Amino acid sequence: DSGVTQTPKHLITATGQRVTLRCSPRSGDLSVYWYQQSLDQGLQFLIQYYNGEERAKGNILERFSAQQFPDLHSELNLSSLELGDSALYFCASSTVLGGEQFFGPGTRLTVL
Amino acid sequence: QQQVKQSPQSLIVQKGGISIINCAYENTAFDYFPWYQQFPGKGPALLIAIRPDVSEKKEGRFTISFNKSAKQFSLHIMDSQPGDSATYFCAASGGSQGNLIFGKGTKLSVKP
Repeated sequence: DSGVTQTPKHLITATGQRVTLRCSPRSGDLSVYWYQQSLDQGLQFLIQYYNGEERAKGNILERFSAQQFPDLHSELNLSSLELGDSALYFCASSTVLGGEQFFGPGTRLTVL
Repeated sequence: QQQVKQSPQSLIVQKGGISIINCAYENTAFDYFPWYQQFPGKGPALLIAIRPDVSEKKEGRFTISFNKSAKQFSLHIMDSQPGDSATYFCAASGGSQGNLIFGKGTKLSVKP
């Protein structure tokens, strides 16, 4: 158990809908990273927050957004969902910027 | 320039044998090279990591070998066990943000 929690574990929704994925980092970790894992693209970095501020962006679509709250939990919002958004979404946390990253169990999103 | 190339895609090893997975990178700004192990339905788990100031790091049965001039690094699993059967990902990061660039993964199967 990495200490990173993610909810929900599974999410099934329809095209065009909007969902919110939640992540709680390990106790004491200030940095949160979001990654998407799909069969064709592998593990890809989406976005990073540090102590409430956005610090880096990767291959994140404009339909996706995220935020980190004062209690350090983070939410990833996915809107106007398409079939191709079906994937595993992982959150990772680290104590400091550039530190070891510990991954949560993931949220499996299925868009029908 | 941001890619990390991993090989082989899949690997079958007999119990007690040595498993070797290789990765190569282009971006000389990368300064942190972790390996992750992922079991089906689980999040990636940090296995071992290295920075370029050393050429080798060993933790139990797992060893990372790093060749800075060739921009290559590899994971060696000694005395491979059936419980090691999983997908292994190499990754790299550089700079202060620390977001990881992952290889495509190697599915390891250790036969009893």
